[in-house]
Amino acid sequence: GESVGLHLPTLSVQEGDNSIINCAYSNSASDYFIWYKQESGKGPQFIIDIRSNMDKRQGQRVTVLLNKTVKHLSLQIAATQPGDSAVYFCAEKAAGNKLTFGGGTRVLVKP
Amino acid sequence: KAGVTQTPRYLIKTRGQQVTLSCSPISGHRSVSWYQQTPGQGLQFLFEYFSETQRNKGNFPGRFSGRQFSNSRSEMNVSTLELGDSALYLCASSTGPTQGTYEQYFGPGTRLTVT
Repeated sequence: GESVGLHLPTLSVQEGDNSIINCAYSNSASDYFIWYKQESGKGPQFIIDIRSNMDKRQGQRVTVLLNKTVKHLSLQIAATQPGDSAVYFCAEKAAGNKLTFGGGTRVLVKP
Repeated sequence: KAGVTQTPRYLIKTRGQQVTLSCSPISGHRSVSWYQQTPGQGLQFLFEYFSETQRNKGNFPGRFSGRQFSNSRSEMNVSTLELGDSALYLCASSTGPTQGTYEQYFGPGTRLTVT
């Protein structure tokens, strides 16, 4: 079935370093992808999105890369800060407005 | 602009009971989606409503149902609660497909515990 998965469940990164979170998706019909950040006790917060007709999109300190050939999505966070500690989810959208989420990666920022 | 609000934030119910959760989307948003989040299954899509009509439905039993009102507020209902229904239930709103965007904004969730 359709699924979105992550390679690394936990990522530890030194404050100030760059973080890279990876995500594999299986539905080649997916046309829209989103990265969410979820802090403890809160709902997921939108970070950045990308459409399937793009391969890169940049936001503030974040970049999303999409490789449709290998069905791979990544989120790069520049100069990681303590406030970036959270669980990050990738999600894909195929038909309709339904999002399929990956299992999540926990990012721990070490001071 | 106020964000997505969900009520109640916490709920404890007994097996066999039923529960109703409420979601108020961001003003102007007409699409509301519901998700169940558990440590074991992650975030799973329940259903989506747009203009009071259910547009998409996930793979959940019929005990899970929902509806949307004319003001876009939405409720979901779970009947005959089971222990496995204990989860964080998240509501997300968006402008809807007619606007060409799919960005969904999540509320803080309702933490349901079934004992």
